[in-house]
Amino acid sequence: EVQMVESGGGLVQPGGSLRLSCVASGFTFRGYSMNWVRQAPGKGLEWISYIGSGGTTIYSADSVKGRFIISRDNAKNSLYLQMNSLRAEDTAVYHCARDGPRRAFDIWGQGTVVTVSS
Amino acid sequence: QSALTQPASVSGSPGQSITISCTATSSDVGNFNLVSWYQQCPGKAPKLIIYEVNKRPSGISNRFSGSKSGNTASLTISGLQAEDEADYYCCSYADVSTWVFGGGTKLTVL
Repeated sequence: EVQMVESGGGLVQPGGSLRLSCVASGFTFRGYSMNWVRQAPGKGLEWISYIGSGGTTIYSADSVKGRFIISRDNAKNSLYLQMNSLRAEDTAVYHCARDGPRRAFDIWGQGTVVTVSS
Repeated sequence: QSALTQPASVSGSPGQSITISCTATSSDVGNFNLVSWYQQCPGKAPKLIIYEVNKRPSGISNRFSGSKSGNTASLTISGLQAEDEADYYCCSYADVSTWVFGGGTKLTVL
């Protein structure tokens, strides 16, 4: 079964850091580019970061540029998001999403909840 | 304010057809040829239902169809069913290697 499972979310104070993980199974992870997409409570979806299959091509949304770092370990079928200098507005469910056909996100994880609050 | 504008809500009765629009209000969405649509049921992860404007992934019902005219993409759901009640999001891949989502549309099946 193709699936992705996120972990690492939790409650963190403003200015703090958190590292999210996403473990993939059921497909050849190293063959796919990956993304992180988040959804604030009661709000819509927001793409935040992309990483190419080899790990060297990276793009990020302006809202997280310079604070969040995407990375991957193909040997461990894992995707990561290092989140620094967290703000209240970063509170959201964070999903990993596979880059599928023609730049669409074809497989999604269930998400991990990040709450930034003092 | 998203560069892709969707109606906040639409509704329809079982068996009817509904259309959700997605209008590009900014050039930040690129050439608008790589539009995808996602269905998100309450408490669930989003699910890809249309990619590249009008293509359906394997396993997606042919009741779902996509189209585009000018700067507006549309998702049509025909033969509406109770299980179609969900939030729907359009998304466009922009030329600068970023993705933009619409604000989402809540579909209510009456």
